[in-house]
Amino acid sequence: GENVEQHPSTLSVQEGDSAVIKCTYSDSASNYFPWYKQELGKGPQLIIDIRSNVGEKKDQRIAVTLNKTAKHFSLHITETQPEDSAVYFCAAYPGGNTPLVFGKGTRLSVIA
Amino acid sequence: NAGVTQTPKFRILKIGQSMTLQCTQDMNHNYMYWYRQDPGMGLKLIYYSVGAGITDKGEVPNGYNVSRSTTEDFPLRLELAAPSQTSVYFCASRTVPRTYEQYFGPGTRLTVT
Repeated sequence: GENVEQHPSTLSVQEGDSAVIKCTYSDSASNYFPWYKQELGKGPQLIIDIRSNVGEKKDQRIAVTLNKTAKHFSLHITETQPEDSAVYFCAAYPGGNTPLVFGKGTRLSVIA
Repeated sequence: NAGVTQTPKFRILKIGQSMTLQCTQDMNHNYMYWYRQDPGMGLKLIYYSVGAGITDKGEVPNGYNVSRSTTEDFPLRLELAAPSQTSVYFCASRTVPRTYEQYFGPGTRLTVT
């Protein structure tokens, strides 16, 4: 089955710097890759996603890139702010009735 | 739309007690999921359902049961609670294949002592 690896597990950046979180997946049939942000005490919230027919997608300060050949996708956050501090999860969808397969998460700390 | 709602928000159980965690979604999503998240850890899938009357086991189903009698509701039953079931439980729903987005509820924090 699908396996998603996420790195790093923790990431600290200075406010205003960029942050990059990387994920790899194993199943070439996976065709949808969402990213979730989980703030303390809350449920994960979808922040951006990308489908396999697209290489890059951007929404204001966040962007996601997908390399299908290498089977990896990344989340890029530019001009980081303290409110970006949270746990971020990547996931892959293998298709059909199969549930999303999640990475183990990255704890991002933005230091003011 | 209220999205995905979960009750209760918090609960303390004694070892051996039973309880039902409620989950309701008003988005007419066909797929629903239950996850648990232990402190500082990732999400582990307990059970999921692809439609009313259909349920399937996830990664960590032992000690739990589910039912799906309607599209809206997906309750999670804990029988004979154990300290190892202390966790935060999240319900989620999505609609496939029209869109793939999955939405999570706010969670239920359960402590078993």
